[in-house]
Amino acid sequence: DSGVTQTPKHLITATGQRVTLRCSPRSGDLSVYWYQQSLDQGLQFLIQYYNGEERAKGNILERFSAQQFPDLHSELNLSSLELGDSALYFCASSRLAGGAETQYFGPGTRLLVL
Amino acid sequence: GIQVEQSPPDLILQEGANSTLRCNFSDSVNNLQWFHQNPWGQLINLFYIPSGTKQNGRLSATTVATERYSLLYISSSQTTDSGVYFCAVRNTGTASKLTFGTGTRLQVTL
Repeated sequence: DSGVTQTPKHLITATGQRVTLRCSPRSGDLSVYWYQQSLDQGLQFLIQYYNGEERAKGNILERFSAQQFPDLHSELNLSSLELGDSALYFCASSRLAGGAETQYFGPGTRLLVL
Repeated sequence: GIQVEQSPPDLILQEGANSTLRCNFSDSVNNLQWFHQNPWGQLINLFYIPSGTKQNGRLSATTVATERYSLLYISSSQTTDSGVYFCAVRNTGTASKLTFGTGTRLQVTL
């Protein structure tokens, strides 16, 4: 168990809908990252938050948005869903300790858009 | 951006065999992690190894940062080692994101 939790585990929805994925980082971790794993694109970085502020953006679509709340949990919002958004979405968290910053991944949310 | 290549893409072993997985990267890194994605999709941390050598049971890893590669050794493989092994790196001087390789799919048979 990495200590990172994600809900829900599975989500099935229809095209055009909007969903929210939730992530709770490991206790004490200030950074939260979102990654998408799809069959054609592999594992790709979407966005990073650090202590409530957006820190870095990757290949995140404009239809997607995220935020990190004061209690450090994060939500990834996906709207106007398309078939191609079907993927496994991972959240990871990290902290700097002894010069090392290891990212620990949650179990993922498997999204299927029909 | 930084490129990460893993080889071989697929590997089939008999239980008890040893294997070496390779990760090449195209630029300097200050973070390199190896993960095992099990058949249920979970990404399990194996090593944080931006340089040097580490061992954990039957697994060990070596990163030669100056030559831009890392190796993951699996000894006495077991069926539970099956899954996909990913190498992920963070490019020095860039944001904290990890860039993943395409993975090595390992199948261990009886």
